[in-house]
Amino acid sequence: DIQMTQSPSSLSASVGDRVTITCQASQDIRKYLNWYQQKPGKAPKLLIYDASNLETGVPSRFSGSGSGTDFTFTISSLQPEDIATYYCQQYDSLLYTFGQGTKLDIK
Amino acid sequence: EVQLLESGGGLVQPGGSLRLSCAASGFTFSNYAMSWVRQAPGKGLEWVSVISGSGVSIYYADTVKGRFTISRDNSKNTLYLQMNSLRAEDTALYYCAKDRDQVIAVAVGTFDYWGQGTLVTVSS
Repeated sequence: DIQMTQSPSSLSASVGDRVTITCQASQDIRKYLNWYQQKPGKAPKLLIYDASNLETGVPSRFSGSGSGTDFTFTISSLQPEDIATYYCQQYDSLLYTFGQGTKLDIK
Repeated sequence: EVQLLESGGGLVQPGGSLRLSCAASGFTFSNYAMSWVRQAPGKGLEWVSVISGSGVSIYYADTVKGRFTISRDNSKNTLYLQMNSLRAEDTALYYCAKDRDQVIAVAVGTFDYWGQGTLVTVSS
């Protein structure tokens, strides 16, 4: 199975900060990487698909980049409503796998 | 409006069985692959199983293979997960999730809609 390693596991930042989360795949997954946001008590929400495509309705402060094994998720200017846990997920293999999550809170 | 409503969760003893259902509405159910994803209390997301829109292609995570069976009834717009030989480590909130892209024979693996989940607790 393809392993996904996210870092950091937790992160504190101030409103307005630029926030970056990384995700590394254990093998080449080409562009087949999604990013999800999960707020407490809620189902996950798709933010980015195919590594860099913004899902409809998602604010443009969210972005993704990368290919192969190394991927980055960025919030350009952190807002209070962005407090959540973020997960990467690969779908190059039909045995999909998620990263362990990054819990983001406000400093 | 797309809606996914899971049901069937509950408390079950180790070694027991449970069948989860996910009632779908607001889209052409048979045109989309569907997955089950679970989340143990306080833990991360774990993909469990996927079934293509036609029901022909099915895959399982190694942790549930041989114990869980995914199926769908396109005439009822409903997805199922039959869970047998349940273990304590299967305790989790189980979500059903819809594939983003309309591909009938295979799955894509990008989940654009999720239900609210149904809780399965395996304990004696």
